Amino acid sequence: SQQGEEDPQALSIQEGENATMNCSYKTSINNLQWYRQNSGRGLVHLILIRSNEREKHSGRLRVTLDTSKKSSSLLITASRAADTASYFCATDPDRGSTLGRLYFGRGTQLTVWP
Amino acid sequence: DAGVIQSPRHEVTEMGQEVTLRCKPISGHDYLFWYRQTMMRGLELLIYFNNNVPIDDSGMPEDRFSAKMPNASFSTLKIQPSEPRDSAVYFCASSLGFSGTGGFNYGYTFGSGTRLTVV
Repeated sequence: SQQGEEDPQALSIQEGENATMNCSYKTSINNLQWYRQNSGRGLVHLILIRSNEREKHSGRLRVTLDTSKKSSSLLITASRAADTASYFCATDPDRGSTLGRLYFGRGTQLTVWP
Repeated sequence: DAGVIQSPRHEVTEMGQEVTLRCKPISGHDYLFWYRQTMMRGLELLIYFNNNVPIDDSGMPEDRFSAKMPNASFSTLKIQPSEPRDSAVYFCASSLGFSGTGGFNYGYTFGSGTRLTVV
């Protein structure tokens, strides 16, 4: 399978704590993206990290990429109840036949309690 | 921009009826994707278009499903006849795709989805 797999499937924390979600994949990639989905809504693009990048920040989000381990992590610092959502990683495999589409994982359900 | 617009938001239909889902992508985006999301199977890519041309429809479950993109601003996903197992949330997404190097390096913009219930 070319899709990423998120870990854990579910994560429950208190407001103010940090949340870390992981994504593992199997093929070489051009880039990896993270998305958030609030209940009943479409996915929202959060951040893209290229295969030659190791870390990227956006506000309270920090994404790391380790291509040697074929894994990525998404860290949300100082979480808020509004961060409650499902988080998906999506990979763009480095294979000509699959150019033009991303492969999404099953997601991590994050619950942040007030 | 209003984002990716999907209609209807909810659709309840009887088994055997034809269902048509509609999508208006973001102007200037040359990639359009149709996804289906269920608890059991997660997010599944059904078909995607580049410059209005279908590129990969291997995810379309059966001949009952068809998709068209007659122009850059409109796409439809049709199910005929519909079955209860087609019940799901169907998402349309669009993207700029490539910036020239390094793969598919723009994010997708998703619509709000159509929740389809076939009874």
